[in-house]
Amino acid sequence: QKEVEQNSGPLSVPEGAIASLNCTYSDRGSQSFFWYRQYSGKSPELIMSIYSNGDKEDGRFTAQLNKASQYVSLLIRDSQPSDSATYLCAANNNDMRFGAGTRLTVKP
Amino acid sequence: EAQVTQNPRYLITVTGKKLTVTCSQNMNHEYMSWYRQDPGLGLRQIYYSMNVEVTDKGDVPEGYKVSRKEKRNFPLILESPSPNQTSLYFCASVFNYGSFEQFFGPGTRLTVL
Repeated sequence: QKEVEQNSGPLSVPEGAIASLNCTYSDRGSQSFFWYRQYSGKSPELIMSIYSNGDKEDGRFTAQLNKASQYVSLLIRDSQPSDSATYLCAANNNDMRFGAGTRLTVKP
Repeated sequence: EAQVTQNPRYLITVTGKKLTVTCSQNMNHEYMSWYRQDPGLGLRQIYYSMNVEVTDKGDVPEGYKVSRKEKRNFPLILESPSPNQTSLYFCASVFNYGSFEQFFGPGTRLTVL
């Protein structure tokens, strides 16, 4: 069974802090990995994709991938209340597998 | 505007009454898929389509059918809906085929009584 696991949270951080979201996956054949943000009642929107080991930065977001450990993470620097949402991790090996999501709350 | 549209957005129906949820994309994407989202279970793929007339089962295909007669449309059909199909449904298409970065429609909230 191909699984993507995330802590369901909720994860609560103060405004301005770094939020760290983690994800593990079981399918070693997974080639590409994604982080989606989903506001309540809305559709997921892609915020980061990563394909190689290491870090990938985009503005306040940094995705980290360690294929040996089958681990993906997302760091959000200078967290804002508008970052409060559920974050979905996904791994792809010809079919996309999603985690159940981590709910993040950023408190002003 | 590039988008994925779904209709209806909300639907309440009764057990056994056939229904279709439409999905359409205007980006000429080849790959389209349907997901259902349930609390604590995340997004689970129902069916996907690699191209016109090419469809395949995802993780949870039981009770659903799809068709892909044209590239832009990928309807989801529930021949005999049951209460356990009450869920939030998303259609998605790939805007970057090589990397599978999916673009989601707005969602359809279905309640089967």
